[in-house]
Amino acid sequence: EAQVTQNPRYLITVTGKKLTVTCSQNMNHEYMSWYRQDPGLGLRQIYYSMNVEVTDKGDVPEGYKVSRKEKRNFPLILESPSPNQTSLYFCASSSQKGGFYNSPLHFGNGTRLTVT
Amino acid sequence: GQQLNQSPQSMFIQEGEDVSMNCTSSSIFNTWLWYKQDPGEGPVLLIALYKAGELTSNGRLTAQFGITRKDSFLNISASIPSDVGIYFCAGLNYGGSQGNLIFGKGTKLSVKP
Repeated sequence: EAQVTQNPRYLITVTGKKLTVTCSQNMNHEYMSWYRQDPGLGLRQIYYSMNVEVTDKGDVPEGYKVSRKEKRNFPLILESPSPNQTSLYFCASSSQKGGFYNSPLHFGNGTRLTVT
Repeated sequence: GQQLNQSPQSMFIQEGEDVSMNCTSSSIFNTWLWYKQDPGEGPVLLIALYKAGELTSNGRLTAQFGITRKDSFLNISASIPSDVGIYFCAGLNYGGSQGNLIFGKGTKLSVKP
């Protein structure tokens, strides 16, 4: 089954303790992206990657890092989490070909992060 | 940066009612998308619009790409309980990739108590 898998689904941590949220897709997609969703603010893009070893900042990159060493994986790293990074995080992927009907953005089921 | 103004922020529906929501922007977009997010899940694409004036249907859903290219609306006819969720519009500029996709803040659809 074609899917984007994020782990963990829920995470509670403390300020300053480094963490990684993993994202993996099995569709051979070139494009991958991370969003955070906050009440009243919708989905805001953190980082995206057009292909292996190519990453770019989105709208809210501060406090986050990403890497794209392999096509299928796009981990989100919080080196020193802070309470304002408490949010619902989504990873997404898509092919770069054929427009959105043929290559829509596929979202994972989300990771709810709480930083105390 | 570019912003999409989506309204209403939330609405209550009674089964059988028609529902309308829209997105506006001060910027021109060349593609408009509508997504739905069910509780506990990621957003799923409902409709994609590629041309100004385009009207596209997907079952009980109809979406239009505004003539000015600065707005889009989504209508849901004869709503049913499973229509509940958060609906997002998203816009993309000409020549842009998914890296330039901008989302509205969402319209939350709930059932009238």
